[in-house]
Amino acid sequence: DQQVKQNSPSLSVQEGRISILNCDYTNSMFDYFLWYKKYPAEGPTFLISISSIKDKNEDGRFTVFLNKSAKHLSLHIVPSQPGDSAVYFCAASARGAGGTSYGKLTFGQGTILTVHP
Amino acid sequence: SQTIHQWPATLVQPVGSPLSLECTVEGTSNPNLYWYRQAAGRGLQLLFYSVGIGQISSEVPQNLSASRPQDRQFILSSKKLLLSDSGFYLCAWSDPNNNQPQHFGDGTRLSIL
Repeated sequence: DQQVKQNSPSLSVQEGRISILNCDYTNSMFDYFLWYKKYPAEGPTFLISISSIKDKNEDGRFTVFLNKSAKHLSLHIVPSQPGDSAVYFCAASARGAGGTSYGKLTFGQGTILTVHP
Repeated sequence: SQTIHQWPATLVQPVGSPLSLECTVEGTSNPNLYWYRQAAGRGLQLLFYSVGIGQISSEVPQNLSASRPQDRQFILSSKKLLLSDSGFYLCAWSDPNNNQPQHFGDGTRLSIL
């Protein structure tokens, strides 16, 4: 059961334009969401996160939007740069019984972003 | 600052051979530690996590095991590798007080022949 889904395997964008990466989830217990960026042969690097008590979080060129009713989040990159070309993973975490989760993350399959000069 | 190290970066092993992948974290105490696997074309799947020395939780039944002999050391092992164990293995740590985000090492590419 894929609880976190990234339905677009790839996205191609022109430099300077907006990149929008999408992610859907099914588990209503998820309350914290993260985006990671991954280059080949490297580990994922944390980009930005959002708690379920918010619907938007911004950090420089990166903005994450959360729509809880639709169980959907998106990452906006504006303006896109060639160095942004990488695989982007969304991930979700849920608090277990007693309010602890130990940080267990459920990841989507990833979206390959290519930014053309 | 905190750093995480994984080795080796690449490993080729025959079917049936044992495995030991090591991960160490520096610059933090009592971190939460995690092992993930990324199969080809798929997302990261959590294999094991640990909240302290000797405390290991397994997320999926499999041919692998994990151990945490020291506070900042996390080891992934197998007695006999299967072809299906091929993949990209990633270790991660997080602050035990905040749990998120997790910070990943550069991974080990494991190929089973």
